[in-house]
Amino acid sequence: DAKTTQPNSMESNEEEPVHLPCNHSTISGTDYIHWYRQLPSQGPEYVIHGLTSNVNNRMASLAIAEDRKSSTLILHRATLRDAAVYYCILPSRGSNYKLTFGKGTLLTVNP
Amino acid sequence: GAVVSQHPSWVICKSGTSVKIECRSLDFQATTMFWYRQFPKQSLMLMATSNEGSKATYEQGVEKDKFLINHASLTLSTLTVTSAHPEDSSFYICSARVGTVSNQPQHFGDGTRLSIL
Repeated sequence: DAKTTQPNSMESNEEEPVHLPCNHSTISGTDYIHWYRQLPSQGPEYVIHGLTSNVNNRMASLAIAEDRKSSTLILHRATLRDAAVYYCILPSRGSNYKLTFGKGTLLTVNP
Repeated sequence: GAVVSQHPSWVICKSGTSVKIECRSLDFQATTMFWYRQFPKQSLMLMATSNEGSKATYEQGVEKDKFLINHASLTLSTLTVTSAHPEDSSFYICSARVGTVSNQPQHFGDGTRLSIL
């Protein structure tokens, strides 16, 4: 199954855009890219997912590289409520598409 | 949409008792539900996967006789921690998904904090 690599932590200022990178160089052609985030003391929250094309929703945008070996989650205007651990995950093929959570990226948002 | 409710939010009980945690998908039918455990300062670890009407599939190292999972309907799954001991104290989180393909996201409950005295 394809693995992902994310920076351990990133810092941003409130109301500024945030670009969270994820490398997945062993991705296969049918693997979707999922992003989740977890706020302190809460269960994870689905953010966005995509396959090849860039995706937008009310929470964020997902930019996928043309070779699909990397992607970037974009928060257009960070707020203090966006401070969380962000996980980039490729659901496991052949295992009921289960999610394997790594350490993710801890995003700190400064006021 | 896609709301998952988990109950209780927290529970404290004595060693040796059994604890049941409920996970409900409120506005969608969940073909598959998942149960995770998270220890302090660590990431989520998948315990088991359950499909409605089938026996759960447990991850390696998870005792199926200790963590009983029932997924009797498309909107409800339960996790029972039997004869709980202090080492079972953890944050338990469920998730639910429609369908069985990778393009369907999982939706998570708010978790249950279990403390065994």
